[in-house]
Amino acid sequence: DQQVKQNSPSLSVQEGRISILNCDYTNSMFDYFLWYKKYPAEGPTFLISISSIKDKNEDGRFTVFLNKSAKHLSLHIVPSQPGDSAVYFCAATATSGTYKYIFGTGTRLKVLA
Amino acid sequence: DSGVTQTPKHLITATGQRVTLRCSPRSGDLSVYWYQQSLDQGLQFLIQYYNGEERAKGNILERFSAQQFPDLHSELNLSSLELGDSALYFCASSASLRNTIYFGEGSWLTVV
Repeated sequence: DQQVKQNSPSLSVQEGRISILNCDYTNSMFDYFLWYKKYPAEGPTFLISISSIKDKNEDGRFTVFLNKSAKHLSLHIVPSQPGDSAVYFCAATATSGTYKYIFGTGTRLKVLA
Repeated sequence: DSGVTQTPKHLITATGQRVTLRCSPRSGDLSVYWYQQSLDQGLQFLIQYYNGEERAKGNILERFSAQQFPDLHSELNLSSLELGDSALYFCASSASLRNTIYFGEGSWLTVV
């Protein structure tokens, strides 16, 4: 039962353009969401998070949008840079539950110079 | 550098053997998480500890066990190893149960 889904395994974007990575979840108890970036042979690095009381959170070039009714979140990267090329994972947790963080399967982003 | 330390970084062992992976959380973090990433797969949650006690269990095999010690470091024990256990095992930690989790660089396990 995949509670957190990233349906696009890969995405290619031109440098300077916007990258949009999507994530869907099924568990309505999830109320805290995170995005991580992972380079090969390294551990995932935390990027940005959002609580369910908000619908948008911004940090520099990274913005996360949350649509609770659709159980959907997205990560926008503007402008995209070659160094952004990595695998991006979304994660979700229910802060009133067991607190385990469930991860999606990841989207490999390639930013073309 | 996330502050989470995992050892060993690489490990090659034979089928049927037992290995122990070690994790030191970030200073002050009470919660430790273990994840498995097989080739081209996502991060599969294995188990979570908070201040020495097991808090949540995921898809962890009965051949695997873990514990968190009084000094808050954690160990993941993998026994009767099979070829399919070859994977990258990540440890993560957080200050408490409602905080962002931070990952170590992982332990590469290859079973031959």
